[in-house]
Amino acid sequence: EPEVTQTPSHQVTQMGQEVILRCVPISNHLYFYWYRQILGQKVEFLVSFYNNEISEKSEIFDDQFSVERPDGSNFTLKIRSTKLEDSAMYFCASKATETQYFGPGTRLLVL
Amino acid sequence: AQSVTQLDSQVPVFEEAPVELRCNYSSSVSVYLFWYVQYPNQGLQLLLKYLSGSTLVKGINGFEAEFNKSQTSFHLRKPSVHISDTAEYFCAVSGYGGNTPLVFGKGTRLSVIA
Repeated sequence: EPEVTQTPSHQVTQMGQEVILRCVPISNHLYFYWYRQILGQKVEFLVSFYNNEISEKSEIFDDQFSVERPDGSNFTLKIRSTKLEDSAMYFCASKATETQYFGPGTRLLVL
Repeated sequence: AQSVTQLDSQVPVFEEAPVELRCNYSSSVSVYLFWYVQYPNQGLQLLLKYLSGSTLVKGINGFEAEFNKSQTSFHLRKPSVHISDTAEYFCAVSGYGGNTPLVFGKGTRLSVIA
């Protein structure tokens, strides 16, 4: 069964550093998403992406964040200058129609 | 805009007992409804979904949920739980439309006691 994959599974970085989180959505899906889950809190929407452009973003997704689909398979989330409060689990999701399927997540720790 | 309320943050239950995890939502438009499960240190796995049609939907691992439009609820139930059901359960909604994101509740931690 096709799955969404994410790399790395864990990343530790210093405050102010750039990080890139990578996702490979399910191959025939056209809609892509990033969500985050701060420890002990609910899952929050960051951004959606369709047809090679951002279609919707939340207020969390400020100028420090960017997304890209550099080729036909990868979907990346870049945080330009990480802050302590960016520490969270980041989930990628994709869908073809109504149902979003999630990857296993990347746990980001900013020190 | 939508919102989701999961009334119980933690639900302890003995093994083989029934369980109900409650979910209420608010929306000015029609929505799709989902339950996702998150096992310890893992990602979100789709448990079941309501898109249209029969209001009683069945999912994986013996779970089911009933959509009640008048009460704006989508409660999750299982008649007999196992230790392996111990996990965090998230209710989520999305509006119709291609790019609509999911809005999640805060989650309910189900702890099954032997």
